[in-house]
Amino acid sequence: DIQMTQSPSSLSASVGDRVTVTCRASQAINNYLAWYQQKPGKVPKLLIYAVSTLQSGVPSRFSGSGSGTVFTLTISSLQPEDVATYYCQKYNSAPWTFGQGTKVEVK
Amino acid sequence: QVQLVESGGGMVQPGRSLRLSCAASGFRFSSYGMHWVRQAPGKGLEWVAVIAYDASKKYYADSVKGRFTISRDDSKNTLHLQMDSLGADDTAVYYCAKERLVGINMESYFDNWGQGTLVTVSS
Repeated sequence: DIQMTQSPSSLSASVGDRVTVTCRASQAINNYLAWYQQKPGKVPKLLIYAVSTLQSGVPSRFSGSGSGTVFTLTISSLQPEDVATYYCQKYNSAPWTFGQGTKVEVK
Repeated sequence: QVQLVESGGGMVQPGRSLRLSCAASGFRFSSYGMHWVRQAPGKGLEWVAVIAYDASKKYYADSVKGRFTISRDDSKNTLHLQMDSLGADDTAVYYCAKERLVGINMESYFDNWGQGTLVTVSS
């Protein structure tokens, strides 16, 4: 099975900072890559699919990029409401594996 | 709007069974595949199982294969997860999620999630 590895596991940044989370797949996943945001105590929410397509209603400060086996989620200007754990997920085939998550905090 | 409401969680002894349900509304349930995802306390997301829109395909995570069974009742717009031989490692919040299908081989991500139901396996 393809493994999904995120880095870092956690980060702390100031409001307004640019934040980048990396997700690496152990094999190519043909750009079937999604990102989810889970705020504390809340349900996961779809942020990005197909590597870089923003789900409707997601602020434009979020962006995704990458190809092959390395993908990134970028928050261009961190806001207090972005405090959450972010998960990448492959969806090209079973199993629908998630990364282990990256916890983003505000300093 | 899409609504997914899980039920059936609770505390159960090791080795026993539990059946979860997910009531769907706000979309044509019979046209969409559905997934179960779980999250152990303080841990990350773990995909559990999927059923195709027509129930023709079902896939399971290795951790639950042979113990869990996913099914659907389109007449009641309801998804089920039968969980047998439960162990402590199955303790988690269980979410149902609606797929957005993008390929012919069940390539799909999850565009709507339920609120989850907590399953606690303990003696």
